[in-house]
Amino acid sequence: GAVVSQHPSRVICKSGTSVKIECRSLDFQATTMFWYRQFPKQSLMLMATSNEGSKATYEQGVEKDKFLINHASLTLSTLTVTSAHPEDSSFYICSARSGLAVYEQYFGPGTRLTVT
Amino acid sequence: EDQVTQSPEALRLQEGESSSLNCSYTVSGLRGLFWYRQDPGKGPEFLFTLYSAGEEKEKERLKATLTKKESFLHITAPKPEDSATYLCAVQARVDSNYQLIWGAGTKLIIKP
Repeated sequence: GAVVSQHPSRVICKSGTSVKIECRSLDFQATTMFWYRQFPKQSLMLMATSNEGSKATYEQGVEKDKFLINHASLTLSTLTVTSAHPEDSSFYICSARSGLAVYEQYFGPGTRLTVT
Repeated sequence: EDQVTQSPEALRLQEGESSSLNCSYTVSGLRGLFWYRQDPGKGPEFLFTLYSAGEEKEKERLKATLTKKESFLHITAPKPEDSATYLCAVQARVDSNYQLIWGAGTKLIIKP
């Protein structure tokens, strides 16, 4: 149980284009989803928190117009990186928390984004 | 300020050599301490949640313990497949949301 999937696992896009990453909770309903970014050999950096049906709450320094987050259902959240630049290249990981196990977060496998 | 510190940064052990990883924390009102395992290029894999001092949990060769100031992840007779980065996090309330405050991780290498 508590499986979170992400798609795609790897994506390469050209500078200036947009890319969408999907995060799904497969066997539970995720009332809250989180998006993280991780640089090589560093710990996870929280980008935003989203509750189903509500606007995402972005961490300080994260551009909400660049990183669009939609949490339209209890099993799906999407992160769209708009007008991507090479500095957006990173490892993006989503995480989900159910309403039942209030404090436990389960993570997806991550998406490696490379912007050329 | 809520803070999590993990030590050591890296640990090299021989197969079968038991040891412990440390996670010390300061948080106002602990609502859970979490251990995760992360392999290169993968998302963190949930291992344990501990909620109160004195609590212990076990899974195969791993055992997590919790005091009021720190948590230990004990690894008994490790195997090469236990090599990974082990992350510790505490649940903290930030504004109206609960968030995980992360340690920097301990990279564990088990040599055959």
